[in-house]
Amino acid sequence: EIVLAQSPATLSLSPGERATLSCRASQSVGSYLAWYQQKPGQAPRLLIYDASNRATGIPARFSGSGSGTDFTLTISSLEPEDFAVYYCQQRSDWPLTFGQGTKVEIK
Amino acid sequence: QVQLVESGGGVVQPGRSLRLSCAASGFTFSSYAMHWVRQAPGKGLEWVTVISYDGSNKYYADSVKGRFTISRDNSKNTLYLQMNSLRAEDTAVYYCARDPNIVVVPAASGYDYWGQGTLVTVSS
Repeated sequence: EIVLAQSPATLSLSPGERATLSCRASQSVGSYLAWYQQKPGQAPRLLIYDASNRATGIPARFSGSGSGTDFTLTISSLEPEDFAVYYCQQRSDWPLTFGQGTKVEIK
Repeated sequence: QVQLVESGGGVVQPGRSLRLSCAASGFTFSSYAMHWVRQAPGKGLEWVTVISYDGSNKYYADSVKGRFTISRDNSKNTLYLQMNSLRAEDTAVYYCARDPNIVVVPAASGYDYWGQGTLVTVSS
């Protein structure tokens, strides 16, 4: 099973600051990685697919990078609505797995 | 517009069964693979199972293999999850999610639409 390790577990930042979230895979997943955002009481929302492609309707302040085992989700300037939990997911091999999540909270 | 609406959740005793449904609308259901993903209270996301667009291929997480069965009725635009021999650790919100990929693994895209989830509580 491919294990995805997200870091940090919690990121405390202020609106307007830059957020950098990491997702590290236990073995190469190529570019078969997606990022999701989840707010309390809501279903996850797809942000990034294929490691670096923004999903439909996702603002340009969200960007993804990386390949192989190391991936990054960057939010260039945090808006109030961006404070949430973020998950990465690999779709390279069975079973499909998610990282444990990074919570971006208001400092 | 695309809509996925789960139903069938509730409180059930350990060892009993439950069937979840996910009603799809606003798209050609028979053209998409569909997944179930769950989330235990206060925890992260866990992939559970997937079914191909035509129902011919199904895959399961080891944690549910042999106990859960995914199925679909394309004539009714509905996805199902039959859960047998339920355990306390199956307590979670269960989401259905649409997969835009024909080939599920490997696949570049993520799940582009999700339902609102249905809560399953396994407790005596």
